[in-house]
Amino acid sequence: DQQVKQNSPSLSVQEGRISILNCDYTNSMFDYFLWYKKYPAEGPTFLISISSIKDKNEDGRFTVFLNKSAKHLSLHIVPSQPGDSAVYFCAARDSGNTPLVFGKGTRLSVIA
Amino acid sequence: NAGVTQTPKFRVLKTGQSMTLLCAQDMNHEYMYWYRQDPGMGLRLIHYSVGEGTTAKGEVPDGYNVSRLKKQNFLLGLESAAPSQTSVYFCASSLRGNEQFFGPGTRLTVL
Repeated sequence: DQQVKQNSPSLSVQEGRISILNCDYTNSMFDYFLWYKKYPAEGPTFLISISSIKDKNEDGRFTVFLNKSAKHLSLHIVPSQPGDSAVYFCAARDSGNTPLVFGKGTRLSVIA
Repeated sequence: NAGVTQTPKFRVLKTGQSMTLLCAQDMNHEYMYWYRQDPGMGLRLIHYSVGEGTTAKGEVPDGYNVSRLKKQNFLLGLESAAPSQTSVYFCASSLRGNEQFFGPGTRLTVL
């Protein structure tokens, strides 16, 4: 049973527009959420995170929003750039010693 | 500061052969992880370790063994490789279990 779900396998966005990547989770014990970005033939790299005590975290062009009641988080990229084309993974963990749980990823294509 | 390194980068095995993948980190991280990535499946945790001398099973541990004899190294072993183990393997480490730093991956093909 998937605890972290990324229901959109792929997303195409025009350069300069907003990209919105979505992630849903089922475990109410999750209290820390992360987004990773992965280019082909490379390992995933950490992008941004948010604690459950917040509902928004911003870092430059990247903003993560958390809606705890809906068990939903989203990553906004504004403005989107061709270099943002990659696979984005959502991940979550609870407050115990358990490892991160990853979603299956969403492939973002930013078209020039 | 090399971060997380993985050896080898590529490997082709025949069914039934064995091999060991090496992961090394120079960040003095306590936690280390082995994942496999398959098309459409995301990152699936194979085994992990919360400290030197400790290991634990992840989501897909069957067919793999691990050892963490030194804090900086985490070894993943395949005793008898099967075609189903064809995948890209990623190692990661973290200080306290939150943000993980990943290696570049090992692409393994089992014929």
